[in-house]
Amino acid sequence: DQQVKQNSPSLSVQEGRISILNCDYTNSMFDYFLWYKKYPAEGPTFLISISSIKDKNEDGRFTVFLNKSAKHLSLHIVPSQPGDSAVYFCAASVRGGSYIPTFGRGTSLIVHP
Amino acid sequence: DTAVSQTPKYLVTQMGNDKSIKCEQNLGHDTMYWYKQDSKKFLKIMFSYNNKELIINETVPNRFSPKSPDKAHLNLHINSLELGDSAVYFCASSLTGDGYTFGSGTRLTVV
Repeated sequence: DQQVKQNSPSLSVQEGRISILNCDYTNSMFDYFLWYKKYPAEGPTFLISISSIKDKNEDGRFTVFLNKSAKHLSLHIVPSQPGDSAVYFCAASVRGGSYIPTFGRGTSLIVHP
Repeated sequence: DTAVSQTPKYLVTQMGNDKSIKCEQNLGHDTMYWYKQDSKKFLKIMFSYNNKELIINETVPNRFSPKSPDKAHLNLHINSLELGDSAVYFCASSLTGDGYTFGSGTRLTVV
């Protein structure tokens, strides 16, 4: 059972445009959400997170939006750059529980120059 | 000054062999983890370990065992390797409740 779903395996965007990566979750106990970025032959690196008490968190070009009623979050990258080309993993955890995040299967983002 | 380092990066071995993957972190984190990324690209937790508690994902076969000589190391030992064990294994560490730092992964191929 996939508790965290990233239904788009890939996304292609022109440089300078907005990239929107989507993530859905099924476990209503999740209260902390993270995005990780992964380049080939490297481990995932932490990008941005959001607590369930917020609906938006922004860090430079990266903004994460959380819609708790829809159990949906999205990562916006504006403007997209070729160096953003990577696999993006959405993850969710229960901070009052084991804290161990459950990951989605990732979305491969390609930003074309 | 690699934060989380795991060795080897690549491992090719025959079915039935026993192998270990080593992981070390120099971040002072209190919890370490092993994740498996399978052919479908899911990152699945295998183990979570701090000096108080080992949490095992019940779907992990008991051929897999974590071994922690100290809080900076969490090695993964695999007995009687099977073809289905072929995957990329990631070590990670964190301060409980915070974001993870991952190693660069070990690609295991069982032939």
